Amino acid sequence: QKEVEQNSGPLSVPEGAIASLNCTYSDRVSQSFFWYRQYSGKSPELIMSIYSNGDKEDGRFTAQLNKASQYVSLLIRDSQPSDSATYLCAVSTDKLIFGTGTRLQVFP
Amino acid sequence: DTEVTQTPKHLVMGMTNKKSLKCEQHMGHRAMYWYKQKAKKPPELMFVYSYEKLSINESVPSRFSPECPNSSLLNLHLHALQPEDSALYLCASSPLKIQGRETQYFGPGTRLLVL
Repeated sequence: QKEVEQNSGPLSVPEGAIASLNCTYSDRVSQSFFWYRQYSGKSPELIMSIYSNGDKEDGRFTAQLNKASQYVSLLIRDSQPSDSATYLCAVSTDKLIFGTGTRLQVFP
Repeated sequence: DTEVTQTPKHLVMGMTNKKSLKCEQHMGHRAMYWYKQKAKKPPELMFVYSYEKLSINESVPSRFSPECPNSSLLNLHLHALQPEDSALYLCASSPLKIQGRETQYFGPGTRLLVL
């Protein structure tokens, strides 16, 4: 069974803190890893993609991939209330498999 | 430009109605997708079109009928739906440039209510 697992949360962090979102996956042949942000009632918006082990930074966002541990994470630095959303981890082999999402709440 | 458009934004239909959802992209992407998303759940894949041919059907009931008239357009024809089919229907597209590394870009979705 190909699975992607995330803690459903909510993860509550104060404004300005680092939010750390985690995801594990079961299929070792997975090649591509994505983080999508989804606001309530809206469609998923691509935040980050990562394909190789290590870190990838884009502004306040850093994605980390460890294929040996089958683990991918997203760090959000200087969290803002506007970052409050559900974050979906997605893993691609022949198709995109989504985790159930982690709800992030950033409070002022 | 990574824009995928979907119409209509909202749709209310009875169980005997026939309606269609439309999706369009002008990014030259050669793969297009339909997903269904229920509240507080992740998107569920329904159909995949690659180079305008249906490549994946995730055992979707026949009351949902996809169509890809050309490389920019994707339709989802709806007939005799059930109330449990009420959901957000998402279209996505991807470039299909590197196998296994296709980034999918989502449209805004159509919120469907079946009465």
